[in-house]
Amino acid sequence: GAVVSQHPSRVICKSGTSVKIECRSLDFQATTMFWYRQFPKKSLMLMATSNEGSKATYEQGVEKDKFLINHASLTLSTLTVTSAHPEDSSFYICSAREQGWYEQYFGPGTRLTVT
Amino acid sequence: KNEVEQSPQNLTAQEGEFITINCSYSVGISALHWLQQHPGGGIVSLFMLSSGKKKHGRLIATINIQEKHSSLHITASHPRDSAVYICAVTSGNQFYFGTGTSLTVIP
Repeated sequence: GAVVSQHPSRVICKSGTSVKIECRSLDFQATTMFWYRQFPKKSLMLMATSNEGSKATYEQGVEKDKFLINHASLTLSTLTVTSAHPEDSSFYICSAREQGWYEQYFGPGTRLTVT
Repeated sequence: KNEVEQSPQNLTAQEGEFITINCSYSVGISALHWLQQHPGGGIVSLFMLSSGKKKHGRLIATINIQEKHSSLHITASHPRDSAVYICAVTSGNQFYFGTGTSLTVIP
């Protein structure tokens, strides 16, 4: 099946710094990528949807300037958490979808800890 | 009310037991997904189905479109099946998640 990778799998950063998370589709062209956040013992929360070459669509309550999403190519999307705070500590998961298909392929997730 | 409801929320079973996790949804869907999330957090897509039944090893997923209901069955459960199982549906451009069922299989 299709594979989506995320890098890094774990990251610890200091409060006030920025951290970038990459999401790559390894064997298909992902025209749409989704970024989710998961709080402890909670289901996934959609943060934003990005289509290749265009601006991401953010869900209500998600700060665009804090969570910068770039989808510059058909195989790569990045999520940058800017000026991170401890409350940004969470599990971030991406998924990718090929044009014309409704199957989403999930990445393994990135655990962010902000100290 | 959530668009996708799962039951039970928590489930503990003895090794070898037959397990059923249920999912009901309230929106029109193009596909239903069963996902597995292990304690480390990574998500694996188990099934995607839009009708009928699919089987993969000890896992069986069924869906009844008319009743807007799906079940995930695990036969001969094993401790390594311990995980959170999430039901999700694709509805138009939206993707709705259930809150998950936490399964613990005891040796």
